[in-house]
Amino acid sequence: ELKVEQNPLFLSMQEGKNYTIYCNYSTTSDRLYWYRQDPGKSLESLFVLLSNGAVKQEGRLMASLDTKARLSTLHITAAVHDLSATYFCAVDLSMYSGGGADGLTFGKGTHLIIQP
Amino acid sequence: EAGVVQSPRYKIIEKKQPVAFWCNPISGHNTLYWYLQNLGQGPELLIRYENEEAVDDSQLPKDRFSAERLKGVDSTLKIQPAELGDSAVYLCASSFGLAGVDEQFFGPGTRLTVL
Repeated sequence: ELKVEQNPLFLSMQEGKNYTIYCNYSTTSDRLYWYRQDPGKSLESLFVLLSNGAVKQEGRLMASLDTKARLSTLHITAAVHDLSATYFCAVDLSMYSGGGADGLTFGKGTHLIIQP
Repeated sequence: EAGVVQSPRYKIIEKKQPVAFWCNPISGHNTLYWYLQNLGQGPELLIRYENEEAVDDSQLPKDRFSAERLKGVDSTLKIQPAELGDSAVYLCASSFGLAGVDEQFFGPGTRLTVL
């Protein structure tokens, strides 16, 4: 059974600081997604990481994937209040499970609060 | 381009009542997913459709939950009867191709409260 673990689950930080959210998963996969969710809203796709060593950046956010370590990171640079949200990583096993129910397995999310 | 549409956005019912949720995926998307999201948790997959076929419903509690996607476009998820523990957000997502090939796009969700 695939397990996806994020840490930290809660993070309060000040504007201007840097921080990293970690996502570990238990089974081989080379497809990992990062989503953002604002309170009461649905999930917004941030990054799609499809191979070992993939790195993608958008504004103050940068995501990377190390499939050998089964680890993805989401790095926040010089945080601003608008980045306050819950961030989820999700792992896709469909390519390895023969089309089973493991389409996307999500972590519990990291609730990020950025204070002025 | 319109996104994934879900209705209703909110539903409050008493336990033992039936409830249904509707989802219209992004036009042209062949794969449709229903997820359950409990408060403070990540979404959990309930069922996945490829066109009109439910290719995996192993995570769907079949004693009270049912789903259909009759014409391979929109889909309905039903709970009958609802229990207190069913209170959650029900998310629908769609993707163009097969699971694992294309990115999933999520709808706004239906927040269900069972009293």
